[in-house]
Amino acid sequence: KAGVTQTPRYLIKTRGQQVTLSCSPISGHRSVSWYQQTPGQGLQFLFEYFSETQRNKGNFPGRFSGRQFSNSRSEMNVSTLELGDSALYLCASSLELVGGNEQFFGPGTRLTVL
Amino acid sequence: SQQGEEDPQALSIQEGENATMNCSYKTSINNLQWYRQNSGRGLVHLILIRSNEREKHSGRLRVTLDTSKKSSSLLITASRAADTASYFCARPRTPGSARQLTFGSGTQLTVLP
Repeated sequence: KAGVTQTPRYLIKTRGQQVTLSCSPISGHRSVSWYQQTPGQGLQFLFEYFSETQRNKGNFPGRFSGRQFSNSRSEMNVSTLELGDSALYLCASSLELVGGNEQFFGPGTRLTVL
Repeated sequence: SQQGEEDPQALSIQEGENATMNCSYKTSINNLQWYRQNSGRGLVHLILIRSNEREKHSGRLRVTLDTSKKSSSLLITASRAADTASYFCARPRTPGSARQLTFGSGTQLTVLP
């Protein structure tokens, strides 16, 4: 079974631009979560989607948004990029909404904002 | 912000030795997970331990959970150079939010050949 895939793997943008990152979960997984990882703040939860609905959102400004499609693929968008948005963005999928199921992470998208 | 703390922040050992990493947290949990991350890459799930479990094994990994002390430990036995990575504990942000994980600050493990 293929793992979680994220595209692109690397991105370089300039301040003020916007960016869209894509995540394809493991086949059959309906829950997709996004995390941001930076050296200063570590791993922080961005949002979670299940059945095309955002279920939870972390403490990030409205510039960060996302969506999920009917095939469970998810995208996240960051508008008006700031230098501090440079980070590794990780997507994770899991099988069920409730319960203690583990999350499976993709390789991440490394975003650099210049 | 991270609500799980891990110690040590960095650990350097020789191949063949055991490595122990600890994780503490502040609120009640229904499960706790451990992940490994090789430099700048995605996270690999290692073990999930539920609040009604005290110990769990997977190969050379042993995880313990003490809910009374709000702490967990990850033991890697007979370490190998390939175990060099960062190790994170993660728990749901709230008991009902199984998919919102709060991660610890991580332990950087270096296994010297």
